[in-house]
Amino acid sequence: QVQVVQSGPEVKRPGASVKLSCKAAGYNLINYNMHWVRQAPGQGLEWMGLINPSGGSTSYAQEFQGRLTMTRDTSTSTVYMELSSLTSDDTAIYYCARGGDFMDVWGKGTTVTVSS
Amino acid sequence: DIQMTQSPSTLSASVGDRVTITCRASQPISSWLAWYQQKPGNAPNLLIYKASSLESGVPLRFSGSGSGTEFTLTISSLQPNDSATYYCQQYNKSPFTFGQGTKLETK
Repeated sequence: QVQVVQSGPEVKRPGASVKLSCKAAGYNLINYNMHWVRQAPGQGLEWMGLINPSGGSTSYAQEFQGRLTMTRDTSTSTVYMELSSLTSDDTAIYYCARGGDFMDVWGKGTTVTVSS
Repeated sequence: DIQMTQSPSTLSASVGDRVTITCRASQPISSWLAWYQQKPGNAPNLLIYKASSLESGVPLRFSGSGSGTEFTLTISSLQPNDSATYYCQQYNKSPFTFGQGTKLETK
């Protein structure tokens, strides 16, 4: 069964970094991009960026430039998303989703809470 | 960035109604548009891609149309479990922006 399996919830202090994982299951990781999308409480969907796991190239939304890093480990079929300099505005559910440019398989999401 | 604007923001309709949601792009995006359904507490689910292609397993009452800057998602006969928030997303150019969402309630 094709799925993407995300890591568990995180609680971070303001100013800290968080690194989330997303493991591809049931398909070859390198054949599809992996997107990251977040959703703040009660809000809509916000596209953060994507990684092409084949070569490792990335594309990030401008608002995250400088504090967002996506990486991959093809040996474990896992991609990672690290967001630094966290503020309370980064409190959200973070989804990874497989896709070319649109997203056809979504993870269940990882809740990140930023609180002092 | 390409801005995506959905209308209406909220919608209430009866079972069996034909429902249409509109999505407008701030610049032409050809047919590079997807629609997603999200139910409370769940991840989004892909319904339509390339403006009008139905994702496998999605009921035939869902359809999409449009190209350029104006797009529609239509539910031909609303069912109770169609209550959800619907999002359009353009993938013509990065960043791949979403509309703000349309919350659909079944009366």
